[in-house]
Amino acid sequence: DAGVIQSPRHEVTEMGQEVTLRCKPISGHDYLFWYRQTMMRGLELLIYFNNNVPIDDSGMPEDRFSAKMPNASFSTLKIQPSEPRDSAVYFCAVRAGMNTEAFFGQGTRLTVV
Amino acid sequence: AQSVTQLGSHVSVSEGALVLLRCNYSSSVPPYLFWYVQYPNQGLQLLLKYTTGATLVKGINGFEAEFKKSETSFHLTKPSAHMSDAAEYFCAVSDEGGKLIFGQGTELSVKP
Repeated sequence: DAGVIQSPRHEVTEMGQEVTLRCKPISGHDYLFWYRQTMMRGLELLIYFNNNVPIDDSGMPEDRFSAKMPNASFSTLKIQPSEPRDSAVYFCAVRAGMNTEAFFGQGTRLTVV
Repeated sequence: AQSVTQLGSHVSVSEGALVLLRCNYSSSVPPYLFWYVQYPNQGLQLLLKYTTGATLVKGINGFEAEFKKSETSFHLTKPSAHMSDAAEYFCAVSDEGGKLIFGQGTELSVKP
């Protein structure tokens, strides 16, 4: 496996536009996480899935944020409409079980102007 | 609910000096504990983990951590800092539902 693949690596968009971040996880890992990292708030868990089912989305900041995992090979995080305060690095991570490590993607740096 | 507290958002040491990064956790069940490192513009990568067994855990790049249940701590140490150790370090705890919760991170600077 090539690891967790996130796309795009960088995204610059205008306020009000829809943004979709993508994650292709490593196969065989039942948990998938979306994190957001900023200087002010550190690394925040937004949502996580187990076997493609959302388990906890309490970290999703607003209804503008939504995440899907239609199958074990793909997940998306969508922001609609985007706002400047959404600017951050968004990470996708996967893990096989509770006592295993998480593997992180390289992140998507989102800038909303 | 599980939580993680990292004491000190910035730590600075001289090259060759001891590195000590502090982590305390809160957990209602036996914890699974992790330390990750993040280099600039990269994702997080695992340094070491504690699940069960030996409480002194050795990781990559000469780092180690000791699980102390009585102190609810999992501090990260390295006997001799190297310039390449400069990075941000995150402690994390896993809850029984599989959620991985991170501390706020500690930025390590290494002075020549």
